[in-house]
Order: sequence, then C-alpha cells, then structure tokens
Amino acid sequence: AQTVTQSQPEMSVQEAETVTLSCTYDTSENNYYLFWYKQPPSRQMILVIRQEAYKQQNATENRFSVNFQKAAKSFSLKISDSQLGDTAMYFCATTTPGGGNKLTFGTGTQLKVEL
Amino acid sequence: KAGVTQTPRYLIKTRGQQVTLSCSPISGHRSVSWYQQTPGQGLQFLFEYFSETQRNKGNFPGRFSGRQFSNSRSEMNVSTLELGDSALYLCASSLAQGADYGYTFGSGTRLTVV
Repeated sequence: AQTVTQSQPEMSVQEAETVTLSCTYDTSENNYYLFWYKQPPSRQMILVIRQEAYKQQNATENRFSVNFQKAAKSFSLKISDSQLGDTAMYFCATTTPGGGNKLTFGTGTQLKVEL
Repeated sequence: KAGVTQTPRYLIKTRGQQVTLSCSPISGHRSVSWYQQTPGQGLQFLFEYFSETQRNKGNFPGRFSGRQFSNSRSEMNVSTLELGDSALYLCASSLAQGADYGYTFGSGTRLTVV
C-alpha cells in the first residue's frame, strides 16, 4: 500500500519570500505520478503541479517547482515569490499508472503567507 | 468552460436517513471520482466511475454507493447515515480513467449528520 507523509502541519512565510514544503512517500511501484494540490478556504482542491516518476527532470509551473528525489522517495514543493493568494492547505499525493487508479493523499500542510 | 459542479453545497441530515449528492463533471470528462475529507481520516477515496461503470472502489461500507449517467453526471448515495459520515465530499473529474493526469475538483458538499 502507498503512504504519503507530510511532516509539517503548519508553515508560514513572508510575502515575496520562498518556502519549501516537504513530502515523503512509500510505494513498491517503479512507475507512478506525484502531485501537489492546494485547497484554499473555498474548499476546491486545485492541481498545482504534477511529476512523472520516470522523468528525472523536476517539474515547474511558474512560481512553483518540485525537488523530486526518487531514490529517497522525496517530493518537496518550492514556492517562490510567495503571494497572499498562496495561503491554503497543500496536499502531496501519489498514484500509480494504469486505468482506475486513485490518489493517496498526505495529511496536508497549512501554509500562511503573511505581509 | 464550466468547472465541476457539486450540489448541494451544504446538507444537514439526521442519523438513519439517506442522502444523495450530485456531481456534474467538466464537459467532455468521462471519469468521475469521489473522495471523503474529514479532520480525522483526511482525504479518502470512495469510488470512481468511467463510462457509467464503477472502475474502482475504496474501503467504505456498502452504505456508500454511486452511479454515473450517460451524460457523465454522477450521484453518490449514503444510506442509514451515521454521525461519522459527517464530512466534506469532493467530486473530481478527469478526461481519462484514473488520476494519472490530474483531477479537476469541485467545491464539495459539506454533509453534517446530527
């Protein structure tokens, strides 16, 4: 069974600064996908970034980038130039390729961006 | 382009009753998945429907069921409600079966069982 661990329940960062959220996972699969989703107070989960495990290159989406260490089963999210709108709960998740696969989520990190 | 629409947004039910939640996916998306979110258990997968067929099911009792219609809209039903069923129920749609390419989520239905 897959497990996802987020060891930081809460974090805060000053506006315009950089913050890194940690995530480790455990899987017996060789091919899988990793995600970061954010959930603002509106409750809607929003896909932030997606990483394919067989690609060594770290995924990047504008101010969001990941540090994917496959051997260490680590998948951290770096947010650069933090903005007030980045305040949200951030969930790390993983799945395995093939049809009908579900997401396994971590417990989340509540990020607060402060002035 | 309309997003994933879940109705109702809030619901209060009494123990023992049943409830039906609705989810309309993004136009063209054929896969609908349901997740339960609680403070204690976090986010847990309920089931996935693709082309009107249940393709995957999580570890929930038989009181939890669902279906998908030919227009890809999905409903989730919970019978004989228990206090522990109080949760945010999130629906997610995707073009292809499974979560590999990422989901688009709705804003959820907040169910309170009293």
